[in-house]
This record gives sequence, structure tokens and C-alpha cells, in this order.
Amino acid sequence: EAGVTQFPSHSVIEKGQTVTLRCDPISGHDNLYWYRRVMGKEIKFLLHFVKESKQDESGMPNNRFLAERTGGTYSTLKVQPAELEDSGVYFCASSRQGGIGGYTFGSGTRLTVV
Amino acid sequence: AQSVTQLDSQVPVFEEAPVELRCNYSSSVSVYLFWYVQYPNQGLQLLLKYLSGSTLVESINGFEAEFNKSQTSFHLRKPSVHISDTAEYFCAVSEPTSTGYALNFGKGTSLLVTP
Repeated sequence: EAGVTQFPSHSVIEKGQTVTLRCDPISGHDNLYWYRRVMGKEIKFLLHFVKESKQDESGMPNNRFLAERTGGTYSTLKVQPAELEDSGVYFCASSRQGGIGGYTFGSGTRLTVV
Repeated sequence: AQSVTQLDSQVPVFEEAPVELRCNYSSSVSVYLFWYVQYPNQGLQLLLKYLSGSTLVESINGFEAEFNKSQTSFHLRKPSVHISDTAEYFCAVSEPTSTGYALNFGKGTSLLVTP
């Protein structure tokens, strides 16, 4: 089966601009997660979708971040407007129902805000 | 609240030497424990996991980890490393919920294997 796909792989934008990251989960995986790693720090949970519904968005840093999952398929994470501290690697992961046993992660999108 | 501590940010080791990457966690309830690996320019891959049962778990490429509840540890070991094991290793813990679970990661340990 195809893995979790994320694009772009890299993005460099100026402070104040908007960026949209996309994640295509493995087909049939109802659970979709977004994580972020800021340089030198831990990988942090952002939010969790079950199909098209946001199950847990407790990790979203502020209202400049908006995540959507249209029709329970792919997901987008929009940052508007981007700030310098948003730089980092954004990971997406998916799993089947429940997901106990581990997710499948994508390769990540490296976002650099200058 | 859970937290994960990986005590070593970098571990240099010679090829064929043994290695231990340390991981300690804090949690007041039962947890699931994971080790993920990120090879250069790749995504995170699940290396091994502890959900229940035997406290010693193994991966297909020779790594093993032992869940020690009294010491709240889940250290990762390999008796003889290869150059190809060079990667960043992340310990993670989760408290399962009814609909899924979020992972709490440590800061990662960079393993550098040299000839």
C-alpha cells in the first residue's frame, strides 16, 4: 500500500505570508494526526482527526493554524499569517480505527519562515 | 501529564559495538511505549512497541527494548551496531483513549555509527 504522503517537502516563506501543507493518509485510515518538531525540541502533537471530524486539537498553538480534512480523505494545515517561530518540520501520520500499535508517518514538510 | 526524557542527545559509537539509548517517562497510569527511528531524509518509522505482555520487545533489525515499570524506563539496546543504524531515535509514550491516542515524544537521540 502507498504510504502517507506529504507535500511540499520543503517550503520557505516570508513572515506574514500564508502556507498550506497537505497530507494524504493511507487509504482506509480513519485516524489522521498532525505533529510538529521545532528545531531542537520534541515532536509535539497538534491535532487528531477521525474521518472528517476533529477529535482532539489541544495541541494547536494558536488561531493562526487551521486544519481541515475534507471528506475524511486528505488533510490540509494552513498557517496564516506565518511567524518566525512556526519554522520546523510538520509531520502527518495515519492509522486505522483506534490505531493502537503505532501510526504510519509521512516524511514531513520542512517549513522555514524568514 | 506524561513526559518523556531521553537522557542523551547524541551517542557516537563504533561499528559492531553495543549501544544503549536511554528513555524514561513519567505517567500516573498505564501507558503504551514506542521507539521510532528517523533515517536521514526520511520520515519517522516505528521500530518497536510495548503494549502489554512480555516486557522485552524486539525489532526485526536486532534492536530490543525492555519495559521496566518500577524504573519507568524503556531503554533501547543493540548488541552490535552497523553503519546503517545511524539515525535519530525517538522514544514516545501514549495513554490510550477510546478513539485513538496522541504520542508524547522525547527530544530524540542521534546515533552516529562510525567505522
